Amino acid sequence: QKEVEQDPGPLSVPEGAIVSLNCTYSNSAFQYFMWYRQYSRKGPELLMYTYSSGNKEDGRFTAQVDKSSKYISLFIRDSQPSDSATYLCAIRGGAFTGKLIFGQGTTLQVKP
Amino acid sequence: DTAVSQTPKYLVTQMGNDKSIKCEQNLGHDTMYWYKQDSKKFLKIMFSYNNKELIINETVPNRFSPKSPDKAHLNLHINSLELGDSAVYFCASSLSSGGRFNEQFFGPGTRLTVL
Repeated sequence: QKEVEQDPGPLSVPEGAIVSLNCTYSNSAFQYFMWYRQYSRKGPELLMYTYSSGNKEDGRFTAQVDKSSKYISLFIRDSQPSDSATYLCAIRGGAFTGKLIFGQGTTLQVKP
Repeated sequence: DTAVSQTPKYLVTQMGNDKSIKCEQNLGHDTMYWYKQDSKKFLKIMFSYNNKELIINETVPNRFSPKSPDKAHLNLHINSLELGDSAVYFCASSLSSGGRFNEQFFGPGTRLTVL
């Protein structure tokens, strides 16, 4: 079993739709949870991070962590064609090394 | 002003060759990383240096050898290249390695193709 599991998609939605992206993880000791966005042929860039359980909102994006079920989610409201990218969940696996463990990434296409 | 830069951007080479990829960051960060992203977009840590000291050394063939001449630079040398080494290699950096959350900033990637 991989430490972080993510459905690779692809996921295709119409513009304006609400998008839900999800990951599960195996180690209950993980504390920091991240979502990275990667445009085609670019490096990943941090979208949001959350510490422990709870929700975090930034504009149209909401990150949610449920530690009891080891489930992390990213919601995108009013999706735009510019949101078309690969979204990678990541977990900090090393408290002293900064090691990030990534999910496989979900490719999202928002159609105008 | 590119924060994390990599050279070359593309690298096409024959099996058995030796090649190097260079990374530089101008963010003043202490920690740098090498990641490999395969054709299915799976991104996996390979190595990390903090203040020129190796702190992450994942299960990677010893044909891969990182080197950090100073805090701002991290290079990756690959000997005897194999077909399976074809991937995109990303360099990243962060302010430090541990403690509270430190955002990792990624470079643009080096697309390596081994023929």
